[in-house]
Amino acid sequence: AQKVTQAQTEISVVEKEDVTLDCVYETRDTTYYLFWYKQPPSGELVFLIRRNSFDEQNEISGRYSWNFQKSTSSFNFTITASQVVDSAVYFCALKGNTNAGKSTFGDGTTLTVKP
Amino acid sequence: EPEVTQTPSHQVTQMGQEVILRCVPISNHLYFYWYRQILGQKVEFLVSFYNNEISEKSEIFDDQFSVERPDGSNFTLKIRSTKLEDSAMYFCASRPGQGGETQYFGPGTRLLVL
Repeated sequence: AQKVTQAQTEISVVEKEDVTLDCVYETRDTTYYLFWYKQPPSGELVFLIRRNSFDEQNEISGRYSWNFQKSTSSFNFTITASQVVDSAVYFCALKGNTNAGKSTFGDGTTLTVKP
Repeated sequence: EPEVTQTPSHQVTQMGQEVILRCVPISNHLYFYWYRQILGQKVEFLVSFYNNEISEKSEIFDDQFSVERPDGSNFTLKIRSTKLEDSAMYFCASRPGQGGETQYFGPGTRLLVL
């Protein structure tokens, strides 16, 4: 069985602060895929990043960075110099290596960035 | 950039009525999915579809649900007799196939059952 835990239900920061969203996962698959999605108030799911289990290289994209630690089964997401437009619900998701390839989502973290 | 599209964006229906939610996946994608999100909760897997048949379904996907790919472009989710608890956002997603592991989500259909 797959499980994704996002322990932080809500986070509130002031603009320009850095913020890290935690994600811990469980899977028995040796090959798997991790994702982060952003859900703004309008409701759509916006794909942010995919990380393959066999690639532990961390990634930076502008103000966003991701820290994948296989040893601790974590895939944390950091926003540097947060902006009001970053306010959204952020979901971490895990996809195993089956053909069907369903994704299991965490409960989400609601990030509020105040001006 | 190709996108997954869904219609309608919003649907209001009476309990017991049938609804059909429509999706047009990205054209060269091979795997199709439906997920739902009850207001304020997490996104939950309903069903996956490949090669014109269901690959996997969750315990939520009971006999009142069905999926179909009636032609080469549409992918539909039918709820036969809606219940109040079916009120949710329904997301369609698709992915390319082997080697293409990212699921791309449509904008969702918000279903309200009264």
